[in-house]
Amino acid sequence: AQTVTQSQPEMSVQEAETVTLSCTYDTSESDYYLFWYKQPPSRQMILVIRQEAYKQQNATENRFSVNFQKAAKSFSLKISDSQLGDAAMYFCAYRRGETSGSRLTFGEGTQLTVNP
Amino acid sequence: DTGVSQDPRHKITKRGQNVTFRCDPISEHNRLYWYRQTLGQGPEFLTYFQNEAQLEKSRLLSDRFSAERPKGSFSTLEIQRTEQGDSAMYLCASSYLPGQGIHGYTFGSGTRLTVV
Repeated sequence: AQTVTQSQPEMSVQEAETVTLSCTYDTSESDYYLFWYKQPPSRQMILVIRQEAYKQQNATENRFSVNFQKAAKSFSLKISDSQLGDAAMYFCAYRRGETSGSRLTFGEGTQLTVNP
Repeated sequence: DTGVSQDPRHKITKRGQNVTFRCDPISEHNRLYWYRQTLGQGPEFLTYFQNEAQLEKSRLLSDRFSAERPKGSFSTLEIQRTEQGDSAMYLCASSYLPGQGIHGYTFGSGTRLTVV
């Protein structure tokens, strides 16, 4: 079974600084996708960034980027120029390939605080 | 189309009562998912539909839980004889196959159930 582990229950960062959230996963599959979701206090889960396992290039979306280390099964999220609106719970998630399964497996989450 | 809608937002019920939640996905999405999230944890998969067919159910979905998607559009999740352990946020999400691996899911705001 696939598992996703986020070892940092809480992180904090100063506004305008950079923070990195860690995620590791365990799978025997070769075709899969990885995601970072943000869940603000309003509770709606929002997709931040995704990575296809077959792609070697790390995904980037504006101030958000990932460090995908496939051999190490590591998928960290870097937030640059942190803003107050980035404060939320962040979940790392795994999904098997398009033809295999459909469920997302989530980590336990990291609560990010942004200090002004 | 304003995204995935869930109703009600909050539900308080007495132990032993039955409750039903509704989810309206994005209209062109053919897959619909239910997740359960307890406080401070990541969402856990319950079940998913492709069109009207229920394709997978988690072991978390006991006999007291039933989900339907009768016309391949909205879905309902019913919990019979509620227990205090059922208190959680119930999240609905939808996606379109193919391409969901790239685009991920769109989540609703959830229904918070409190069993007293």
